Amino acid sequence: DTEVTQTPKHLVMGMTNKKSLKCEQHMGHRAMYWYKQKAKKPPELMFVYSYEKLSINESVPSRFSPECPNSSLLNLHLHALQPEDSALYLCASSQPTRDTEAFFGQGTRLTVV
Amino acid sequence: AQSVTQLDSQVPVFEEAPVELRCNYSSSVSVYLFWYVQYPNQGLQLLLKYLSGSTLVKSINGFEAEFNKSQTSFHLRKPSVHISDTAEYFCAVSGSGGFKTIFGAGTRLFVKA
Repeated sequence: DTEVTQTPKHLVMGMTNKKSLKCEQHMGHRAMYWYKQKAKKPPELMFVYSYEKLSINESVPSRFSPECPNSSLLNLHLHALQPEDSALYLCASSQPTRDTEAFFGQGTRLTVV
Repeated sequence: AQSVTQLDSQVPVFEEAPVELRCNYSSSVSVYLFWYVQYPNQGLQLLLKYLSGSTLVKSINGFEAEFNKSQTSFHLRKPSVHISDTAEYFCAVSGSGGFKTIFGAGTRLFVKA
């Protein structure tokens, strides 16, 4: 199994809503990532978890709250988002070393209205 | 610090023609280089990678890239493109801060019939 599964695929939420994005992998990877990607731009790193501990937070606003319940799961909790947060949110996983590639999910297309 | 420069934002090419997508990098540590492809409304997939050894690396679908240390380049080539190769291509380098990946801005390859 070389897949990273993200749910939901599409999400529309109001600015007062609370929602969560979910990500799952069963490749035994111990690093998991959240990226945000705007149209025609490269992915921007948001958070990195290594061995289920948050190791990188790229100064992301607190309305985004990551959670790593175990080595296979990664969540991104969303609250009080702004329309400019609309984007494709990508989850990825890898071994926690430099000489390895990341495996990406298909992404969640988020629209904030 | 690491950085990646993709010199072309868009490359239009006719079907069955050769193509080269250019990538230059800078790195203060040992270099691990990657090319990822992103088809519309999907996540990123690894196309090929250079870790060490032979400087010419190949993918299963006919792409190849050559690591050139003196020119700090990792250009992607294909001798004959297909319509299905239309996608966004990202060059990436493994960051020195743990396993953070640094992406280039991306090159959109558009194959015309």
